[in-house]
Amino acid sequence: AQTVTQSQPEMSVQEAETVTLSCTYDTSESNYYLFWYKQPPSRQMILVIRQEAYKQQNATENRFSVNFQKAAKSFSLKISDSQLGDTAMYFCAFMKLQGAQKLVFGQGTRLTINP
Amino acid sequence: DTAVSQTPKYLVTQMGNDKSIKCEQNLGHDTMYWYKQDSKKFLKIMFSYNNKELIINETVPNRFSPKSPDKAHLNLHINSLELGDSAVYFCASRHPPGNEQFFGPGTRLTVL
Repeated sequence: AQTVTQSQPEMSVQEAETVTLSCTYDTSESNYYLFWYKQPPSRQMILVIRQEAYKQQNATENRFSVNFQKAAKSFSLKISDSQLGDTAMYFCAFMKLQGAQKLVFGQGTRLTINP
Repeated sequence: DTAVSQTPKYLVTQMGNDKSIKCEQNLGHDTMYWYKQDSKKFLKIMFSYNNKELIINETVPNRFSPKSPDKAHLNLHINSLELGDSAVYFCASRHPPGNEQFFGPGTRLTVL
């Protein structure tokens, strides 16, 4: 069974700073996807970024980028030039491509951006 | 246009009652899901349907019964509600090429 671990329950940074959220996972699968989802106070789940395991290049989406270390089974999210609107819960998630294709989530990191 | 919609957004009910939550997606996706988010914000898969066929059933009590009348709809019926069923329930649908899942706004269920 796959597991996803987010070791930082809470983080807090000043606006405009850069912050990195950690995520590690455990799997014996070779084909899978990794995701970061954001859940603001509105509770809507919003996809932030996606990484295919077969791609060596790290995914980027504007101010959001990942550091994907496949051998170490690590998938951290970096938010550059953080904004007040980035305040949210962030969930790391894993999905294998063979068999039951479901998202397995980490425990979440509550990120607060301070003015 | 809302991609994945759920009704109701809030549901408050008494223990022992039966309730349903409805989900609709207008994205043309074949696969839909129900996830449960507990009071500690932990998200866990409950069910998944692919083109009206149940493909994932994750050790959920029999009191929970999903139904998919067509591939755009996935409803969740809960019998004999218990206090522990209080949670936020999310519907999602999956986009095959990118495999990302699009979530509905969630239904906050409170059982008194």
